[in-house]
Amino acid sequence: GAGVSQSPSNKVTEKGKDVELRCDPISGHTALYWYRQSLGQGLEFLIYFQGNSAPDKSGLPSDRFSAERTGGSVSTLTIQRTQQEDSAVYLCASSVRDYYEQYFGPGTRLTVT
Amino acid sequence: DQQVKQNSPSLSVQEGRISILNCDYTNSMFDYFLWYKKYPAEGPTFLISISSIKDKNEDGRFTVFLNKSAKHLSLHIVPSQPGDSAVYFCAASGGGGADGLTFGKGTHLIIQP
Repeated sequence: GAGVSQSPSNKVTEKGKDVELRCDPISGHTALYWYRQSLGQGLEFLIYFQGNSAPDKSGLPSDRFSAERTGGSVSTLTIQRTQQEDSAVYLCASSVRDYYEQYFGPGTRLTVT
Repeated sequence: DQQVKQNSPSLSVQEGRISILNCDYTNSMFDYFLWYKKYPAEGPTFLISISSIKDKNEDGRFTVFLNKSAKHLSLHIVPSQPGDSAVYFCAASGGGGADGLTFGKGTHLIIQP
């Protein structure tokens, strides 16, 4: 079966523009996670969805970041008015509810110029 | 503060020998630990996990050891193979999907022929 997919794989944008990143989780996985990895750092947890709801949004770095999930499947992470410090690889993962093994997509490399 | 620490940024091991990757954590609420492997331009791949009620879990060439009193875990790879060259991330979970996983910064394992 297909794994987690993300699009685009690479995105270069100008400072101040909005970007939208997409994640398609593994079919049947109800839990979905967004992380980001900045250069030389580990993965930083951003937000978690169980079904369509995100019980805790406090991991999002600023109010320029938002995420939604519809139909219990596809999720989008939106960054408004991008800044250079937003440059990172954004990773999405999904897991079967109540399991801890998260399966990651290949990531979207975002570069803000 | 970093709750999951991998103090060795890189490790070089000869093919056929044992690779030992170490990880320390500070949060006593963590109850599940995972190791992920990451190749360049790919998302992390789940390798092996261990629950806090165990002290050892083995899967083929991979064994994870957990020392709760020392808040330390290690991943042993025996024998090491060239394809094992990758970045290895230690991750921990606090008992619920809403917190995501807390990752270390990774150790770059290089297997020398």
